[in-house]
Amino acid sequence: NAGVTQTPKFRILKIGQSMTLQCTQDMNHNYMYWYRQDPGMGLKLIYYSVGAGITDKGEVPNGYNVSRSTTEDFPLRLELAAPSQTSVYFCASKPGQAFYGYTFGSGTRLTVV
Amino acid sequence: AQTVTQSQPEMSVQEAETVTLSCTYDTSESDYYLFWYKQPPSRQMILVIRQEAYKQQNATENRFSVNFQKAAKSFSLKISDSQLGDAAMYFCALLDQGGSEKLVFGKGTKLTVNP
Repeated sequence: NAGVTQTPKFRILKIGQSMTLQCTQDMNHNYMYWYRQDPGMGLKLIYYSVGAGITDKGEVPNGYNVSRSTTEDFPLRLELAAPSQTSVYFCASKPGQAFYGYTFGSGTRLTVV
Repeated sequence: AQTVTQSQPEMSVQEAETVTLSCTYDTSESDYYLFWYKQPPSRQMILVIRQEAYKQQNATENRFSVNFQKAAKSFSLKISDSQLGDAAMYFCALLDQGGSEKLVFGKGTKLTVNP
């Protein structure tokens, strides 16, 4: 009964480093999403996937990449980290029926210095 | 493009009182879904209440209820008998059903509950 699991919970990166934020869900949801949350700005969509092997850009995709090789996993890759990527990142998933909304992970706080 | 606007960056309420958080939205769709999410200091996003646009009846969940005005594109959240545990950021969100099922969020309202 884990829901959506994100790792790590906190991370500090140096400018130019790369890392992968992990996201896995055990609810067999087809739809998965990555959002970033900046203070006073709400949540903005980075990338999403409607099923294994299918990904698409959201509102703020620059500097990020994703893959979806399985239904369960949806990792987010940061290449050449920049201070502008300092944020809280949320992974979420949902079943096919729109009414049920999203299940969110607990978030990753990333600081780029 | 779909947009969600929360015009109150911060609100405060006395414990046991009632407070209403405002949300307006814009969409060209006739059928859509609206949500309120709560984010306490723990950072976890928690679904509070949801509304289907084709249903005229306002949704309720215990102390939480909405005032859904489809023609005005308004979706406010009323919290009755406020409790200290209600203190959090509240986000209004609109579900885009155009294949991606994306949620579009407002910027949030920070609710403080005073004892």
